[in-house]
Amino acid sequence: QIQLVQSGAEVKKPGASVKVSCKPSGYTFTTFGLSWVRQAPGQGLQWMGWINAYNGNTKSAQKVQDRLTLTADTSTSTAYMELRSLRSDDTAIYYCARAGESLDYWGQGTLVTVSS
Amino acid sequence: SYVLTQPLSVSVALGQTARITCGGNNIGNKNVHWYQQKPGQAPVLVIFRDSNRPSGIPDQFSGSNSGNTATLTISRARAGDEADYYCQVWDSSTWVFGGGTKLTVL
Repeated sequence: QIQLVQSGAEVKKPGASVKVSCKPSGYTFTTFGLSWVRQAPGQGLQWMGWINAYNGNTKSAQKVQDRLTLTADTSTSTAYMELRSLRSDDTAIYYCARAGESLDYWGQGTLVTVSS
Repeated sequence: SYVLTQPLSVSVALGQTARITCGGNNIGNKNVHWYQQKPGQAPVLVIFRDSNRPSGIPDQFSGSNSGNTATLTISRARAGDEADYYCQVWDSSTWVFGGGTKLTVL
């Protein structure tokens, strides 16, 4: 069965960076892209960016594009989301999801807390 | 950028039919996808490309899309259907979500 397993919760200070991993299984890693979506406490879903796991091409939302780096390691079939210059409003659960036009399989989410 | 508009909340009596709308400019020309999210859980895809159900999603969930409104219909509502529901489209190589609708089953 298809699963996406993400790394564990993180607590960071303002200005720091965070790197979250996402390891899919149950399908060939390079045949689908991966999107990253976040959800602030009590809020809705916000798409952050997408990576083509085959060739590494990326697309990011304007709101975070200057601070966001998405990578995919085909040797370990693992995708990474790095967000820099963290602010308190980056506190959220971050999800990876297998991406076609829809997001058909999701990771369990990674809580990132930004607090001084 | 493309905007999707959902009602904040919808209520439905147990066993009745709930309809959750998603408004967007000429949304009928786009593929609309719907997600269910229960508290503390990741979203689950319940409808893709307007009206298709993924494997394992019961037939009480259905969808339609025309003009400026897409609709998720939940028939025979049960307590277990209480959740937040989000519509989503793919527009200009980005994934756009509606603001979400909280479904309450009375």
